[in-house]
Amino acid sequence: GAGVSQSPRYKVAKRGQDVALRCDPISGHVSLFWYQQALGQGPEFLTYFQNEAQLDKSGLPSDRFFAERPEGSVSTLKIQRTQQEDSAVYLCASSLRAENSGANVLTFGAGSRLTVL
Amino acid sequence: GENVEQHPSTLSVQEGDSAVIKCTYSDSASNYFPWYKQELGKRPQLIIDIRSNVGEKKDQRIAVTLNKTAKHFSLHITETQPEDSAVYFCAASIVLVFGQGTRLTINP
Repeated sequence: GAGVSQSPRYKVAKRGQDVALRCDPISGHVSLFWYQQALGQGPEFLTYFQNEAQLDKSGLPSDRFFAERPEGSVSTLKIQRTQQEDSAVYLCASSLRAENSGANVLTFGAGSRLTVL
Repeated sequence: GENVEQHPSTLSVQEGDSAVIKCTYSDSASNYFPWYKQELGKRPQLIIDIRSNVGEKKDQRIAVTLNKTAKHFSLHITETQPEDSAVYFCAASIVLVFGQGTRLTINP
């Protein structure tokens, strides 16, 4: 597609519910990143994929967070047993090149706003 | 890992004046420094970036300067216009680490 597409745009979940957030990167982009942006804060790194390989998941806040990109294109961020502190906008970004090839120009999706009640 | 500090957190300037936002970073290995603009409820949009082999880069009213020795870089916006009002984020490193953001308000 023309840009990075994320769905759903808005998700309201009850505490304890599992959620899945989807990211469709720009076609052909090798790198895919997930960021968490709390209200009034900058994006915080969660995890990074190069094709289907998850090369860095150091930013995932707990083992309730899980991400996958099984075929090297679409990615899903799953949050199990959601807590109120998980409420944030989850941004996906993709980049044409691999991380180790140099600087990454990221294109962001519009984000998925998660509200946990 | 990388740590990025951004100042100021809010900035208000008169239309037509210049705005400067500064960031420092900690990892001397970082070699890429983009700036993103985020309007309310919208996605971050890249407005300018600089790589570590360059000291300054300009694009119309926007410029970025980089001082690798001091590990800081700055965004300069000249002749500000109301549509420049937004939150601006600096970032550093290959896997981008973002600053906390600066809310820029242009007063007509």
